[in-house]
This record gives sequence, C-alpha cells and structure tokens, in this order.
Amino acid sequence: DAKTTQPNSMESNEEEPVHLPCNHSTISGTDYIHWYRQLPSQGPEYVIHGLTSNVNNRMASLAIAEDRKSSTLILHRATLRDAAVYYCIPSSRDYKLSFGAGTTVTVRA
Amino acid sequence: DTEVTQTPKHLVMGMTNKKSLKCEQHMGHRAMYWYKQKAKKPPELMFVYSYEKLSINESVPSRFSPECPNSSLLNLHLHALQPEDSALYLCASSQLLATNEKLFFGSGTQLSVL
Repeated sequence: DAKTTQPNSMESNEEEPVHLPCNHSTISGTDYIHWYRQLPSQGPEYVIHGLTSNVNNRMASLAIAEDRKSSTLILHRATLRDAAVYYCIPSSRDYKLSFGAGTTVTVRA
Repeated sequence: DTEVTQTPKHLVMGMTNKKSLKCEQHMGHRAMYWYKQKAKKPPELMFVYSYEKLSINESVPSRFSPECPNSSLLNLHLHALQPEDSALYLCASSQLLATNEKLFFGSGTQLSVL
C-alpha cells in the first residue's frame, strides 16, 4: 500500500481558501487518490477522488501533481463547518481503504 | 436515500455479555465494511463484504463475528469482549468493491466494555 504524509494540523480563517497537501510518493499508476473528512462525533464523509487529472465537485477541488507523487485538496472558501480531520487515502489493489493520521483543520471565525 | 444507519448509537456491555451491532443501507450497495476507531485515532478496517460474502478479514479476533444476511444489512456480533475493545464502530457501504468507489459511512456505535 502507498504511504501518505500529511501535516498534522492547519489553521484557516473563515471564507479563505484552504490548501491541504498530501505526499504519496509510493503510489502505483492505478491507485486512485481519495479524500475523506471526519467532523467531530460523526463518521467519515467522502470529499473527492481522482486518478490523474484535477477534479472538482461542489465540496472541493483536487489538484494532482503530474508525477502523481503528491496532491492538494482545496477548499475554496472555508466555513466553520469545514473544521474536521481530513484524510488523504490512496486506493489499493486489495480494495482496502486504509486511513492514515490525517490533517486536523481548524477554521477561525 | 444516501444514508447508512447504525444501531444502537451507544452500547455498554460487560465482558461476559453477547451483543450485536446493526448496520443498514438502502442504496443498493453490494459492498459493506466494518471499521473500528479508537479515540483520537484514524479508523481501522476490520471486515469487508462483497455480494454478501466475506472478502476481507483484517486478522480480527474471533470475539468479533460479522454477518451479512442480505444486501442491505450488516451485523457485528460481539462476545467476550475486553475493555480495550471499547471504541467507535463504524459501518460503511459502497456501490461495489472497487478502487474508485466512494464509501458512505454511518455515524457509528460507541461501544464501552466494562
């Protein structure tokens, strides 16, 4: 399985963009990059996933480096409801979605 | 309906008790998952079912016994648990067991073993 490195924590001001980096230098060519987040006292929530090209949805954008060794999740305008732990998870051929430590995002009002 | 429902939300049990956790989804998903999450830690995969058959068992102790009686329902039977098994137990489902599928999670059952 590909290993990931994410910062332990990040802080942002409300209504400002948040860029969450993830390093996955051992990712294989067919592994998707998934992002989930977990708000306090809730189960994880799907955010976005992609393979090679950048992806956008109503929640966020995912920018994937050309060599696929890193990616960045972009929250365009952070709100207080975006305060959560964000997990970057490469898929694996054995279909196990394995969570790492993640990045705790704090949003200041 | 994009919901995964877990019951009960909270459970307290003694080490000699037998209890079951229940998970239900009505999205037509054919893959279902159990995760365990200790406080301040990431979720850890326990079991995966695909088309009601056990596909992945992450070397979980036999005191945890999963069951998938139909495509909508997933149970986790608990017997002779230890205090260190106290955790949040999360259920999830996905359309299929595939690398590009997104998982839908329930809110979990908070289990305390006394």
